Amino acid sequence: EVQLVESGGGLVQPGGSLRLSCAASGFTFSNYWMNWVRQAPGKGLEWVSRIKSDGSNIGYADSVKGRITVSRDNAKNMLFLQMSSLRGEDTAVYFCASGGGAFDYWGQGTLVTVSS
Amino acid sequence: QSALTQPPSASGSPGQSVTISCTGTSSDVGGYIYVSWYQQYPGKAPKLMIYEVSRRPSGVPDRFSGSKSGNTASLTVSGLQAEDEADYYCISYAGSNTFVFGTGTKVTVL
Repeated sequence: EVQLVESGGGLVQPGGSLRLSCAASGFTFSNYWMNWVRQAPGKGLEWVSRIKSDGSNIGYADSVKGRITVSRDNAKNMLFLQMSSLRGEDTAVYFCASGGGAFDYWGQGTLVTVSS
Repeated sequence: QSALTQPPSASGSPGQSVTISCTGTSSDVGGYIYVSWYQQYPGKAPKLMIYEVSRRPSGVPDRFSGSKSGNTASLTVSGLQAEDEADYYCISYAGSNTFVFGTGTKVTVL
């Protein structure tokens, strides 16, 4: 069974940093593109970032470019999102999702709250 | 990276059909086959319903279908059932290794 489990969310002050993790199991993680998608409270989905199976190709949404770094550890089946210079508008549930052209599997998300 | 445009809401009675549009530009929806649709219940993770414009993953009922014409993609739910009441989002590849979601549509089964 495919499982994606996010962790690392929490309360952080504006300007602070946070590292999110996504643990994958049940599929050959090293063969798949992976993505981060977020959803602010009561709002729609927003694509954040993607990383190719071998980490060689990465993309970011304009809204987070320069403040967020995506990475992965294929040996440990882990996906990461390093976030810095956080703002109130970054408050959201952050989902990891597998897939290149479409997002087949999703985790349940981890909540990031940016507030003083 | 402007969000794709979806109607905020759509509704239909059980057994009827509802179609949701997703309008973008030639730089996203109109330029690629990588348009997909997701169903999301409140407090839950999204679920893939349609990928590559019109392909249905295993396990998704054939009541769900997708299409595209120019810069507008569409999701049709035929034979509406109570369990279809949810939020629906489209997403398209937008070039330069980026994606863009639609604004989302709340489907109500009357």
